Amino acid sequence: EVQLVESGGGLMQPGGSLRLSCAASGLTVSINYMNWVRQAPGKGLEWVSVIDSGGTTYYADSVKGRFTVSRDNMLYLQMNGLRAEDTAVYYCARALDSDDAFDIWGQGTMVTVSS
Amino acid sequence: SYELTQPPSVSVSPGQTASITCSGDKLGNKYVCWYKQNPGQSPVLVIYQDTKRPSGIPERFSGSKSGSTATLTISGTQAMDEADYYCQAWDSNTVFGGGTKLTVL
Repeated sequence: EVQLVESGGGLMQPGGSLRLSCAASGLTVSINYMNWVRQAPGKGLEWVSVIDSGGTTYYADSVKGRFTVSRDNMLYLQMNGLRAEDTAVYYCARALDSDDAFDIWGQGTMVTVSS
Repeated sequence: SYELTQPPSVSVSPGQTASITCSGDKLGNKYVCWYKQNPGQSPVLVIYQDTKRPSGIPERFSGSKSGSTATLTISGTQAMDEADYYCQAWDSNTVFGGGTKLTVL
């Protein structure tokens, strides 16, 4: 069974750092377009970042310069300079190509930024 | 930045047809996909490349596009279809619509 499982969420103070992980089973992270998508409480989906099959990374303007996506056999999201507005459920999701749909999603991990 | 516009809510009676729209500039030139999200759960892909349905998605879900508006249609809507629905397209990066809450009443 193809599955993505996120971990690493928690309660952080503003300005803090956190690293999220996404473990994949049944698929190889490095040959897919692996995305991070977040959803603030009661709000809609917001795309955060992608690392493509060549290792090139892209970010939403709201996180550029603060978040870094990386991978080995797992997917990661290093989150620095956390702000209250980063509070959300963070999902990892797989796409087969750059403009392809996200066909596999993890269950999400909650990040809360609050003092 | 690129935006996709969805109605915040749509209501439908059981057994009737629900239509959820998604509009955006030059959307006709972009692939659109749709996700269903039940409360507290992850999104599930229901339509990709405008009109295609993934394996396991009921045939009552269909997608179409005309000009700058894409439409998700649910025929013979059932109570289990009540959920939030999001459209997605790509400009320089991935963009999601704001979401539509479908109520079946």
